[in-house]
Amino acid sequence: RKEVEQDPGPFNVPEGATVAFNCTYSNSASQSFFWYRQDCRKEPKLLMSVYSSGNEDGRFTAQLNRASQYISLLIRDSKLSDSATYLCVLGRGSGTYKYIFGTGTRLKVLA
Amino acid sequence: DAMVIQNPRYQVTQFGKPVTLSCSQTLNHNVMYWYQQKSSQAPKLLFHYYDKDFNNEADTPDNFQSRRPNTSFCFLDIRSPGLGDAAMYLCATSRNHYSGRASNEQFFGPGTRLTVL
Repeated sequence: RKEVEQDPGPFNVPEGATVAFNCTYSNSASQSFFWYRQDCRKEPKLLMSVYSSGNEDGRFTAQLNRASQYISLLIRDSKLSDSATYLCVLGRGSGTYKYIFGTGTRLKVLA
Repeated sequence: DAMVIQNPRYQVTQFGKPVTLSCSQTLNHNVMYWYQQKSSQAPKLLFHYYDKDFNNEADTPDNFQSRRPNTSFCFLDIRSPGLGDAAMYLCATSRNHYSGRASNEQFFGPGTRLTVL
């Protein structure tokens, strides 16, 4: 079983739709949680960190459930430019973090 | 702007011909990472440096080596590239961390896409 599991998709949604991704993880020692966005043949870029209380950045909302060991990302009012792969990333360690990546969920927003 | 720079962006090498990829950063971060990413797969950590301390992943082949001569630069050496080493190689940096600190994300360079002929 992979340490970080994501539905690979693709999720094909129309412009303006709301879409949600989940990510489950198996190591309860994970300390920090992130969503990264990766466009085709480009580097991952931080979309948002995920805080225990949940957090929102514009159209994006992230939630963390430590008890059930999952994080989620909600995208409201999807734009064509949201089409990308969304990587769930965990960090753990002291001093030096190791980051554990999910394989990503592919989103296609359709006109 | 502070950033992570990788050179070259595209590298073509021949089977068995050594190649060196470079990464530099202006963020003054303690930690530098090298990842290998193949199509439709997650980035795979090869090794990382915390300052000058080198940390190799157990499953990283001996064919992959790294050097960090100073805080700003880190190199990935592939001693004898095989066809299976064709991939995107990503360099990333981060600060040293303390548990629960919010702003401890990684910053990635644009990657070097390696082709092995």
